[in-house]
Amino acid sequence: GQNIDQPTEMTATEGAIVQINCTYQTSGFNGLFWYQQHAGEAPTFLSYNVLDGLEEKGRFSSFLSRSKGYSYLLLKELQMKDSASYLCAVILNRDDKIIFGKGTRLHILP
Amino acid sequence: SAVISQKPSRDICQRGTSLTIQCQVDSQVTMMFWYRQQPGQSLTLIATANQGSEATYESGFVIDKFPISRPNLTFSTLTVSNMSPEDSSIYLCSVEDRQGASYEQYFGPGTRLTVT
Repeated sequence: GQNIDQPTEMTATEGAIVQINCTYQTSGFNGLFWYQQHAGEAPTFLSYNVLDGLEEKGRFSSFLSRSKGYSYLLLKELQMKDSASYLCAVILNRDDKIIFGKGTRLHILP
Repeated sequence: SAVISQKPSRDICQRGTSLTIQCQVDSQVTMMFWYRQQPGQSLTLIATANQGSEATYESGFVIDKFPISRPNLTFSTLTVSNMSPEDSSIYLCSVEDRQGASYEQYFGPGTRLTVT
């Protein structure tokens, strides 16, 4: 079966840094997405990693280690608007099928 | 990036009826997907909408319950048939955009369905 694990909830302070971890065990791997989803809205694409290493995009960075089945999303200089759910998703080899984790609900405190 | 619209944005339906959700993309795309997101849950893939052939359904989803059409590269429909309260969910259309090594996936705004 396919398994993607991420923490259910996290809390961080405005201006701080937070790291959201994701581990996966899947039958195939063709890349990993991170999405942000505000309550009542559709998911918004944040990042795509297919090779090992760190991808930086402004305040957000995403890291991948394929050998460890592990990724993290790093959010810097947190803002109140970053309060949202963050979804880790793995692209399987077959037909570009994407499996989503259950999401991490991030609460930002002033 | 692709711009995706869905109709209706929300609906309240009676059990036993059917609802067809439309997804329109502003550019031609090869791969279109339909997802369901039940309250408080993550996204579950229902099927891949293939242009010119039958949709490919995931385990737990069948064509009789969720018929899908894909008449061209910019449009797809998902029908939720013979609805029950358990079908209350948000239904999302999604497309992928591959440009060389870059790969992004975009979601429509979703259709919020409540079945009474």
